Parts: sequence; C-alpha cells; structure tokens
Amino acid sequence: EPEVTQTPSHQVTQMGQEVILRCVPISNHLYFYWYRQILGQKVEFLVSFYNNEISEKSEIFDDQFSVERPDGSNFTLKIRSTKLEDSAMYFCASSEAGEYEQFFGPGTRLTVL
Amino acid sequence: LAKTTQPISMDSYEGQEVNITCSHNNIATNDYITWYQQFPSQGPRFIIQGYKTKVTNEVASLFIPADRKSSTLSLPRVSLSDTAVYYCLVGPTGRRALTFGSGTRLQVQP
Repeated sequence: EPEVTQTPSHQVTQMGQEVILRCVPISNHLYFYWYRQILGQKVEFLVSFYNNEISEKSEIFDDQFSVERPDGSNFTLKIRSTKLEDSAMYFCASSEAGEYEQFFGPGTRLTVL
Repeated sequence: LAKTTQPISMDSYEGQEVNITCSHNNIATNDYITWYQQFPSQGPRFIIQGYKTKVTNEVASLFIPADRKSSTLSLPRVSLSDTAVYYCLVGPTGRRALTFGSGTRLQVQP
C-alpha cells in the first residue's frame, strides 16, 4: 500500500537555526499539506500546496515558514529561524484531490533547544 | 466551520462494541462528517466519511440521523490495538485544511 514518508524521524536543532523537513507524498496525489502537533495538543493545519503554489495557509504559517516541491517527488517544509515554541511533531499529508481523505506520514519530531 | 463536541475519553474492554458520538448542531448543507484515528506518535489516519444515513467499511460504521446534528462512529468488537484518539471532523468535502478538535481518547482494556 502506498504511503507518505518523512525524514528525518527526529531532528534536534538549536534556536535560531534553519531546519528543512522532508516528505515524499503518495505518487499520484496532487495536494500536499503540513500539519503540526505540539506535545499533548491538537493537530494544527499549517499549509496546503497544489499546482506548485500555496493554496491555503494558517496564521501559524508566518514568514519563518516556507514550502517547496523541489522535484517530482519531494515536498519540504523549511523553518528559517527556529524558536523554542516550534518544537512539535510535524506531519506531512497528501490527497488525490481536495477531499477530506488525507494520508498522513509518520511525522518528524522537531526539538528546538 | 461547524463546531463539534465529543467525549474527552471512553473506556472499553476487548470484544465490546464502542460507539463514539459527535455533536455538530450547526452543520451546513454541504458539510460531510469524517472520522480520523490517531495512535500515539503517529499521524492521523482516515477511518470513514459520510453525509447521511449509514456508511460501513471494513473498519467501522458511521450512523448519521436525518437531522445530521450528530453522528456516531461504531467500532465493532474492539481490540487493544484500537486504543487511540478518535476525531470527528465536519466540513465541506472540498475544504483542504482539516481542523482537528481534541478528539475522544479511547482506552481498550483486556
């Protein structure tokens, strides 16, 4: 069964450093997403991406965040200057169309020290 | 978006049927009801989606009354591996940004 993969599984970084989280969505999917979940809290939507551009973003997704699809398979989330409060599990998801059934990856746990 | 209310937690035993009800009084005409499941340290997983009446798949059933102001996710004969958080989401099927609430934490005991 096709699945979304994410790397790394755990990333530790120092405050102020840039991090790039990587995702490989399911190959025939057209919509890509990033969500995050701070420990013990709700899953929060960050951004959706379609046709090589952002289609929707939340208030969390400020200028420190960016997304890119650098090639035909990868989808990345960059945080330019990490803050302590960016520590969370980051989930990538993809869907075939803009419907509610999204397929989530296993997540990257980001720890900012 | 329609606000959803579901129990914070539920306990059950292996082999029992579990019903988790979600209230969504201000559901709109074009809203669908979708349930996701999340195991600890994993991403959410789609379980089932419905618009009205009853939907069944290999994992669960979803019951939606005629007024659509609530819905019930039914898990037949749960096992320990069904211990997870279950989220009820309500919104138009074209909406791409999923809004998760706090969910229902189901604990299945042996």
